[in-house]
Amino acid sequence: EAGVAQSPRYKIIEKRQSVAFWCNPISGHATLYWYQQILGQGPKLLIQFQNNGVVDDSQLPKDRFSAERLKGVDSTLKIQPAKLEDSAVYLCASSSVDRGDYGYTFGSGTRLTVV
Amino acid sequence: GENVEQHPSTLSVQEGDSAVIKCTYSDSASNYFPWYKQELGKGPQLIIDIRSNVGEKKDQRIAVTLNKTAKHFSLHITETQPEDSAVYFCAASSNTNAGKSTFGDGTTLTVKP
Repeated sequence: EAGVAQSPRYKIIEKRQSVAFWCNPISGHATLYWYQQILGQGPKLLIQFQNNGVVDDSQLPKDRFSAERLKGVDSTLKIQPAKLEDSAVYLCASSSVDRGDYGYTFGSGTRLTVV
Repeated sequence: GENVEQHPSTLSVQEGDSAVIKCTYSDSASNYFPWYKQELGKGPQLIIDIRSNVGEKKDQRIAVTLNKTAKHFSLHITETQPEDSAVYFCAASSNTNAGKSTFGDGTTLTVKP
């Protein structure tokens, strides 16, 4: 089974620029998550989708972050404008919560550096 | 919301020794407790999980125990090997929050040959 695909692997941008990350989950996984992992910390949830609907975006800084999951498959996370504190690894994960499977399959992440 | 605390933050053991990592959680509604292993440059990988209706689960050299009353759970790795060196994360979730997992801050395990 193919894993969760993420791109790009690395991105360096200047503050106030914009950036977008892409994720393709495990085929058939209805639930998709974006997590932010700051160095030395555990992943923190940004947004959770069930199919193409948002389940939880309470921790998403909506003044600068946006995400969408068109057609309930691929997802894109955008930051505009970026701040220095956005430097982190952005992890995408998927699961089959609808089938009672709460375990996540993570992608390799995108390491963002804002300078 | 849920809060998960994990300790120790770093753990160094000799090859062949056992390693234990402990986590506590705050939300009594949590009923699913996974453990993830993260190697350098990779995303976390699920290695074992336990549900609240079970007190212990084993898979070869790894085991997880759960004490619902005390709201804590632990990961046990026996006969450690250098390839066990990684960062380990515990997490907690419940079906009342749509399966969203809250993670601890991780334990860096180093197994010295």
